[in-house]
Amino acid sequence: ETGVTQTPRHLVMGMTNKKSLKCEQHLGHNAMYWYKQSAKKPLELMFVYNFKEQTENNSVPSRFSPECPNSSHLFLHLHTLQPEDSALYLCASSQWTGLDTQYFGPGTRLTVL
Amino acid sequence: KQEVTQIPAALSVPEGENLVLNCSFTDSAIYNLQWFRQDPGKGLTSLLLIQSSQREQTSGRLNASLDKSSGRSTLYIAASQPGDSATYLCAVKGSGNTPLVFGKGTRLSVIA
Repeated sequence: ETGVTQTPRHLVMGMTNKKSLKCEQHLGHNAMYWYKQSAKKPLELMFVYNFKEQTENNSVPSRFSPECPNSSHLFLHLHTLQPEDSALYLCASSQWTGLDTQYFGPGTRLTVL
Repeated sequence: KQEVTQIPAALSVPEGENLVLNCSFTDSAIYNLQWFRQDPGKGLTSLLLIQSSQREQTSGRLNASLDKSSGRSTLYIAASQPGDSATYLCAVKGSGNTPLVFGKGTRLSVIA
């Protein structure tokens, strides 16, 4: 058990739907991350939050909208996605951004029809 | 721009064999290097972290080495078991707030 939970674990949505992914960390960390893992591609960093402030947006399309209401919770709001957005979305947390080990959640497997 | 390559992409070995997974990176100015394990449909579990000043780290049957100057790391797994079957990911961290850069992973199958 990593201390980082993600819900839902699986999600199927149409291109016109709006849905949200949720991540919660129980480790007392201050930094949280969203990653995208597509088939046959390396993990890609999407967003970084440090003390609830977004510190990095790795050129992610605006149809992905992150929200970090506090240091323990991170959301990824999805709207008008494309089939190529189908992937495993992983959340991670660390004590601080920068040099600390990141702890990963189990991921949400997203399928866009 | 840092790039991480892992070879082979997939590996199948009989139970009990010792094996080596390879990771190479293009920019040797790294802060640390991590090896992760990922089971199918699951998140990542950190196995070993090597600081740039270190040469190797060991945990149980796992040994990771780092040669920063040549841009290489290896993960050695001794006496492999079917439970070791997973995808192994290598990731490097630059200084400051640079993000972790991951390789595509090596998918390992240990056959009983």
